[in-house]
Amino acid sequence: AQSVTQLGSHVSVSEGALVLLRCNYSSSVPPYLFWYVQYPNQGLQLLLKYTTGATLVKGINGFEAEFKKSETSFHLTKPSAHMSDAAEYFCAVRLITQGGSEKLVFGKGTKLTVNP
Amino acid sequence: KAGVTQTPRYLIKTRGQQVTLSCSPISGHRSVSWYQQTPGQGLQFLFEYFSETQRNKGNFPGRFSGRQFSNSRSEMNVSTLELGDSALYLCASSTGQGRGNEQFFGPGTRLTVL
Repeated sequence: AQSVTQLGSHVSVSEGALVLLRCNYSSSVPPYLFWYVQYPNQGLQLLLKYTTGATLVKGINGFEAEFKKSETSFHLTKPSAHMSDAAEYFCAVRLITQGGSEKLVFGKGTKLTVNP
Repeated sequence: KAGVTQTPRYLIKTRGQQVTLSCSPISGHRSVSWYQQTPGQGLQFLFEYFSETQRNKGNFPGRFSGRQFSNSRSEMNVSTLELGDSALYLCASSTGQGRGNEQFFGPGTRLTVL
């Protein structure tokens, strides 16, 4: 069964420092992977996605992630944190059934704090 | 294009009552999925509707139900509310076809059960 593990429920960085949020997945088929961000009292916004092709994926707001099949990982990075990056981040894998139905399986989330 | 809209944004109910939440997808999207978000369980899939048919269902009791209308708008209903149903309910829409298409989320409805 597909699943997602996010290491670290809370990550704290200084403004300008590297952001690294870890995500490992388990999937019996080539995975479709996503990173979403959630700001307080809001829904989820897609940061980036991996479907096929290039393993280094660039997203919005300067974030990127690299799909590493050998490590079953899809870690999210940003070279320089900004105060506005403080939010909760969710990694997800998509399941698609034979009937075409789809659902996202999410990790537990990582809350990012950015210190001035 | 307008995004996914959910109404109401906030709801307070008491145990035993029932509640109906509404979701309007992005124009042209035929798939609507519902998720429950709680601090303890995180984000969990409830069900997905495509062209008025439920295509997939998560592991929730029968008190949770939904439907989709011909204009793709969707509603979910929770009957006989329990304290544990307090959560943020998120709706997401997509084209529902083709691999790799993304789900766009609404702002959610925060349900509090007293």
